[in-house]
Amino acid sequence: EVQLVQSGAEVKKPGESLRISCRGSGYSFIGYWISWVRQMPGKGLEWMGRIDPSDSYTDYSPSFQGHVSLSVDQSISTAYLQWSSLKASDTATYYCARHAACPNHCWSWFDPWGQGTLVTVSS
Amino acid sequence: QSALTQPASVSGSPGQSITISCTGTGSDVGGYKYVSWYQQHAGKAPKVIIYDVSNRPSGVSNRFSGSKAGITASLTISGLQAEDEADYYCSSFTSSYTVVFGGGTKLTVL
Repeated sequence: EVQLVQSGAEVKKPGESLRISCRGSGYSFIGYWISWVRQMPGKGLEWMGRIDPSDSYTDYSPSFQGHVSLSVDQSISTAYLQWSSLKASDTATYYCARHAACPNHCWSWFDPWGQGTLVTVSS
Repeated sequence: QSALTQPASVSGSPGQSITISCTGTGSDVGGYKYVSWYQQHAGKAPKVIIYDVSNRPSGVSNRFSGSKAGITASLTISGLQAEDEADYYCSSFTSSYTVVFGGGTKLTVL
């Protein structure tokens, strides 16, 4: 079964750093891009950026560029989303999602999605 | 990058059909075939139901269909069922090599 399993919920203070993870299984991890999507409480989906696990090439949404960073560890089939200094407004559920196969469907759809990681930032 | 425009809510009775619109620009919806739709039940992760404007992934009911005209994409759900009650999001590839989602539409089955 192809699946993405994310790390557990986090509670942090403003200014702290954080890295959450997304482990892929049931497929060739380096063969499919991974995107990250934010969902603030009661709000819609926002695309943050994507990474190609084969070479760590990234594209970021202008809304998130410079505030988060994406990385991967091929050896353990895991993608990461990282903050160096959290803000209260980062409180949200974060999903990772696998892109469809390249080259023809790189941007076609996301499937599967991880179960989501709730990040709460509060003083 | 502004979110694609969707109606905040739609409703319908069991057995009826509903359509959700998704309006963008020539730099996203209007310019590419990479429009997809996602269903999200409360407290769950999104699930793809339409990709490349009008294609259904394996296992998705044929009651779901998609189309596009110009800068507006549409999702139609026919034969509404109680289990269809959920939030629906469109998304599109953009000319900036990013992805933009719609604001989401809450479907209520009366």
